[in-house]
Amino acid sequence: KAGVTQTPRYLIKTRGQQVTLSCSPISGHRSVSWYQQTPGQGLQFLFEYFSETQRNKGNFPGRFSGRQFSNSRSEMNVSTLELGDSALYLCASSETGVENTEAFFGQGTRLTVV
Amino acid sequence: AQSVTQLGSHVSVSEGALVLLRCNYSSSVPPYLFWYVQYPNQGLQLLLKYTSAATLVKGINGFEAEFKKSETSFHLTKPSAHMSDAAEYFCAVSTSGGYQKVTFGTGTKLQVIP
Repeated sequence: KAGVTQTPRYLIKTRGQQVTLSCSPISGHRSVSWYQQTPGQGLQFLFEYFSETQRNKGNFPGRFSGRQFSNSRSEMNVSTLELGDSALYLCASSETGVENTEAFFGQGTRLTVV
Repeated sequence: AQSVTQLGSHVSVSEGALVLLRCNYSSSVPPYLFWYVQYPNQGLQLLLKYTSAATLVKGINGFEAEFKKSETSFHLTKPSAHMSDAAEYFCAVSTSGGYQKVTFGTGTKLQVIP
């Protein structure tokens, strides 16, 4: 079974631009979560989708948004990029999104904002 | 609110020595607890999880953790460190809510000295 696939792996953008990151969950998984990882803030929860509905959102500005498609693939978008948005963005999928189920992580997308 | 505290951002052990990584949690409800490992430029991999079935949890690669409610702790141990154990380890907590929102600790980088 293929794992969680995130594309692209690396991305360089300029301040003010927008970016879209993609996540393909494990087949059959309906829950997709997104996390931002930075050296200063660690791993921070962005949002979680289940069956195309956002069920929970972390404490990030509205510039960060996401969506999930009917095939469970998910995208996250960051508009008006700032230098501080440089981070590793991780996507995780799980079968049901219930709190005690394992979340499988992708390798992440390394975003650099210059 | 849920949170985890990892004591020690860096831990060094000799090859063959005991590995002990500390994690204390704070949760107003019975928590689900996880340990994840992250190798450089990789996503997170689940080592083990506590879901109230047993207080001593065995994971992959010889790791185990013991849930101690009285101490609100979930420390990760391994009897004998291998060079391949060098990585960053994250303790995480999730509480009831029916969605996959995991709160991570700040991580502990494990160095194994030959």
